[in-house]
Amino acid sequence: EVQLVESGGDLVQPGGSVRLSCAASGFTFSNYWMTWVRQTPGRGQEWVANINEDGGEKHYVDSVKGRFTISRDNTKNSLDLQMNSLRAEDTAVYYCVKGQWADSWGQGTLVTVSS
Amino acid sequence: DVVLTQSPLSLPVTLGQPASISCRSSQSLVASDGNIYLNWFQQRPGQSPRRLIYKVSDRDSGVPDRFSGSGSGTDFTLKISRVEAEDVGVYYCMQNTHWPPCTFGQGTKLEIK
Repeated sequence: EVQLVESGGDLVQPGGSVRLSCAASGFTFSNYWMTWVRQTPGRGQEWVANINEDGGEKHYVDSVKGRFTISRDNTKNSLDLQMNSLRAEDTAVYYCVKGQWADSWGQGTLVTVSS
Repeated sequence: DVVLTQSPLSLPVTLGQPASISCRSSQSLVASDGNIYLNWFQQRPGQSPRRLIYKVSDRDSGVPDRFSGSGSGTDFTLKISRVEAEDVGVYYCMQNTHWPPCTFGQGTKLEIK
């Protein structure tokens, strides 16, 4: 059974940083693209970033380019999202998602950016 | 970016009756390989999203056959043949034909009348 467990969500001040992690199990992690998607009540679902199987190809939504960095460690079956220069509009539940076609989702971790 | 527009945004349905949700794209979702990468997700209250349908009409494992997807080009539909109580939630379409970024519809909230 696929399991994706996110951690790292926190209350952060504007301009601050936070690192999200996702522990994956139940599938061959190194064979799949991985994705971060965020959800807010006002904006719904928003695709944030993804990374290919060996970590050599990464893509970001324009609003986070230069501020967020996606990475993975295939030896530890883990996916990370380093989030810097945080803004109020980054407040959301962040989901770790398996694959390019989003076939499995974690339970989400809440990031709140507020002073 | 591709814009997906869902309708209706709110869908009250009587138990046992059919339901239909539309997802319209701002451009054709036919990919260069001929496939259409349009997916449907269900998010029950308090839960994470769950994929129901991929590539327009392929049902994910474990998804009841009362759920079906159809469409082509820019117009797509998710149908539930007979709504059950467990179908309450928000339904999203998502495209990953033209990415980055992948984009989602606004969501349709299905409730029981």
